[in-house]
Amino acid sequence: EAGVAQSPRYKIIEKRQSVAFWCNPISGHATLYWYQQILGQGPKLLIQFQNNGVVDDSQLPKDRFSAERLKGVDSTLKIQPAKLEDSAVYLCASSLDVVNTGELFFGEGSRLTVL
Amino acid sequence: AQSVAQPEDQVNVAEGNPLTVKCTYSVSGNPYLFWYVQYPNRGLQFLLKYITGDNLVKGSYGFEAEFNKSQTSFHLKKPSALVSDSALYFCAVRDKATGGFKTIFGAGTRLFVKA
Repeated sequence: EAGVAQSPRYKIIEKRQSVAFWCNPISGHATLYWYQQILGQGPKLLIQFQNNGVVDDSQLPKDRFSAERLKGVDSTLKIQPAKLEDSAVYLCASSLDVVNTGELFFGEGSRLTVL
Repeated sequence: AQSVAQPEDQVNVAEGNPLTVKCTYSVSGNPYLFWYVQYPNRGLQFLLKYITGDNLVKGSYGFEAEFNKSQTSFHLKKPSALVSDSALYFCAVRDKATGGFKTIFGAGTRLFVKA
């Protein structure tokens, strides 16, 4: 079974530039998550999709971050414009269903450095 | 609101000795509890979970965890540590939030196993 795919693995940009991250979840997984992991901290949920609908985006900085999951499969997370404090690893995860008791399956992450 | 705490930033143990990584939680309803491990430059990997039933749950790589409702704890344990167990460990809790279940992660505990 193929895992959660993310790209790019690494990205370096200057502040005020834009960046986009892509995620392809495990086939058949209805729920997709984007987490932000700042160095030394635990992952923080940014947004959670159930199929192509948003379940929770309460911690997404909507003035600069946006995310979409067209057709309920792949997802893209965009940051525009980036700030220094956005430097982090962006983790995508998926699970079978939002209500189930199963675990999350994570991709390897996209490490963003903002200079 | 749900929360999870990992009181130790780092745990050091000698190879062959038992290890414990601590976790306490706070939820409004019945908790679903998880442990994940993260190796350098990798995403999180699921280790084990408690949903209901036996308070002692067993997981991958010889790890186990004990659910204690009265102490609201879910400590991760292993009878005999290996050098290869050295990694970052995250406790997570899931509670019903608006629109579905949200998984919240602790700040993580770094485990060092010395040969």
